[in-house]
Amino acid sequence: RKEVEQDPGPFNVPEGATVAFNCTYSNSASQSFFWYRQDCRKEPKLLMSVYSSGNEDGRFTAQLNRASQYISLLIRDSKLSDSATYLCAVNPGLGYALNFGKGTSLLVTP
Amino acid sequence: DVKVTQSSRYLVKRTGEKVFLECVQDMDHENMFWYRQDPGLGLRLIYFSYDVKMKEKGDIPEGYSVSREKKERFSLILESASTNQTSMYLCASSLPQGQGLGYTFGSGTRLTVV
Repeated sequence: RKEVEQDPGPFNVPEGATVAFNCTYSNSASQSFFWYRQDCRKEPKLLMSVYSSGNEDGRFTAQLNRASQYISLLIRDSKLSDSATYLCAVNPGLGYALNFGKGTSLLVTP
Repeated sequence: DVKVTQSSRYLVKRTGEKVFLECVQDMDHENMFWYRQDPGLGLRLIYFSYDVKMKEKGDIPEGYSVSREKKERFSLILESASTNQTSMYLCASSLPQGQGLGYTFGSGTRLTVV
């Protein structure tokens, strides 16, 4: 049973495009949600937490849909430097560690 | 700048060797984690610890053990290294759950077992 699932991509988009990723989770009791960015051969770095009401950080918008059990990440006005793998992470509850999706690969082209 | 430091960036070991991977954090975090990351398999949890001398098995603990004698240090031990343990190993730390701040990862140790 895959607890956290993502479309692996790759998503190839031109500079300036808007791109969205979804991530589904299976445990309805999950309590906290995150998006991480991972560059090639580097460690994952926290991009943003995902709050129930949705949240925005510059060109990035994260949303949570508890009814359908998914989180989303929207990137507006894509930059070349946004090329990376984006991992979603879900905490199933207190006493548990984060479950990570396998990541979605994004390539932004000139 | 706060950090999670892993002792080695690259490591090559022979089959059957006992291998120690060290992780130190300077953020006074209670929680520490060891994951391995393999192509197509993503991040898989090996062990985690919520306090000194405490440890919990993750999804793939077989062939590994851990030690946490001090709050800032979490060691991963491969008792007898095998070629299927060739992987990228990532250590992470976090505040107690409920604070919703996510994990900080170390830069990883790429281990090759020959």
